[in-house]
Amino acid sequence: QQPVQSPQAVILREGEDAVINCSSSKALYSVHWYRQKHGEAPVFLMILLKGGEQKGHDKISASFNEKKQQSSLYLTASQLSYSGTYFCGTENSGGGADGLTFGKGTHLIIQP
Amino acid sequence: EPEVTQTPSHQVTQMGQEVILRCVPISNHLYFYWYRQILGQKVEFLVSFYNNEISEKSEIFDDQFSVERPDGSNFTLKIRSTKLEDSAMYFCASSERRQGNSPLHFGNGTRLTVT
Repeated sequence: QQPVQSPQAVILREGEDAVINCSSSKALYSVHWYRQKHGEAPVFLMILLKGGEQKGHDKISASFNEKKQQSSLYLTASQLSYSGTYFCGTENSGGGADGLTFGKGTHLIIQP
Repeated sequence: EPEVTQTPSHQVTQMGQEVILRCVPISNHLYFYWYRQILGQKVEFLVSFYNNEISEKSEIFDDQFSVERPDGSNFTLKIRSTKLEDSAMYFCASSERRQGNSPLHFGNGTRLTVT
């Protein structure tokens, strides 16, 4: 079952912050975040593996609440280069070789 | 930085024809995947491949599809008797470890157009 992302789209001015949410109806083993620019391949941002884990990468960070089966991606002081579609990909508990299930994506537009 | 390469970048084929999409994963990666993305939609998992065999496949990956690692470097997706609805961007990806705890590195994709 695919994770649900919200919002579907965000328009920001450069320097503003954004939060993108990803929630699942099934228990999660891991959550991946990827960014895809138009006409390009998805690019890896980060993986979160443990409940309550939080990771950061420059001004992009994410949290994973295993109990609530959800993850959030935080973009602070957004830059024009942050524009794109953000996908969360989830893997259900139990591991194995399950393929990632991606959400429908959140379109982020950063305006100067 | 090593990258996943895919060829061709664009393939046009007639309905009913067979196509082979090719990928060269990153050399020290052990897990290989095919995903597809219909225009403007989400990325969908097709199949994962490890140790020269399919380790997982989705409902989309039916008998029309097959994968192969014919040599030590290439990883191919064959689509037999293509249908209009097979038109999509097909991404190959690889990872060092199983994808739950290892980043996926995607190639730039092959845009398949079935007419």
